[in-house]
Amino acid sequence: AQSVSQHNHHVILSEAASLELGCNYSYGGTVNLFWYVQYPGQHLQLLLKYFSGDPLVKGIKGFEAEFIKSKFSFNLRKPSVQWSDTAEYFCAVKGNTPLVFGKGTRLSVIA
Amino acid sequence: DVKVTQSSRYLVKRTGEKVFLECVQDMDHENMFWYRQDPGLGLRLIYFSYDVKMKEKGDIPEGYSVSREKKERFSLILESASTNQTSMYLCASSSNLVTGSDTEAFFGQGTRLTVV
Repeated sequence: AQSVSQHNHHVILSEAASLELGCNYSYGGTVNLFWYVQYPGQHLQLLLKYFSGDPLVKGIKGFEAEFIKSKFSFNLRKPSVQWSDTAEYFCAVKGNTPLVFGKGTRLSVIA
Repeated sequence: DVKVTQSSRYLVKRTGEKVFLECVQDMDHENMFWYRQDPGLGLRLIYFSYDVKMKEKGDIPEGYSVSREKKERFSLILESASTNQTSMYLCASSSNLVTGSDTEAFFGQGTRLTVV
């Protein structure tokens, strides 16, 4: 069965700090990988996705993620966070079953 | 613009009531899903459907059922609501490609259900 592990439950950063959120998955086959974001009071939105090709994918709002197959990881990064990045971030994996989500990481960006 | 619409943003129901949560998508997607979202637990799959009149159990189907009579509509039913079903319920849809760029899921705004 597929599973997704997000290492950080809550991350607090100052504006302009760099961000890296960890995501590891367990599934031996071909996977599609996603990061979703949920801003306060809003619905889940897709940040970025990986299907094949270049393992470094770029998404909206300056986010990027790197797929490292040997480590079963898909970590999310942003060089300089803004207050408006305050949200909950979910990593998700699709193998041979519907999307499986991690438990989420709450990001709080303070001025 | 892609749209998944859930009929209610907030619902308050009494224990034992039968509850219907409705979801409609306008993207002609084959696949539809119901998740529940709880703090610290992420999103957990309740039921999903890959076609009209078809349904499959997800990870936590107990106490729930679903109905998919039309392609665009996927209903979640709580047969007899209980307080431990108080949660945020999210509907999603996706297209039917096994691989490729269309397999991302699009989500509705969610229904926050409180069972008292």
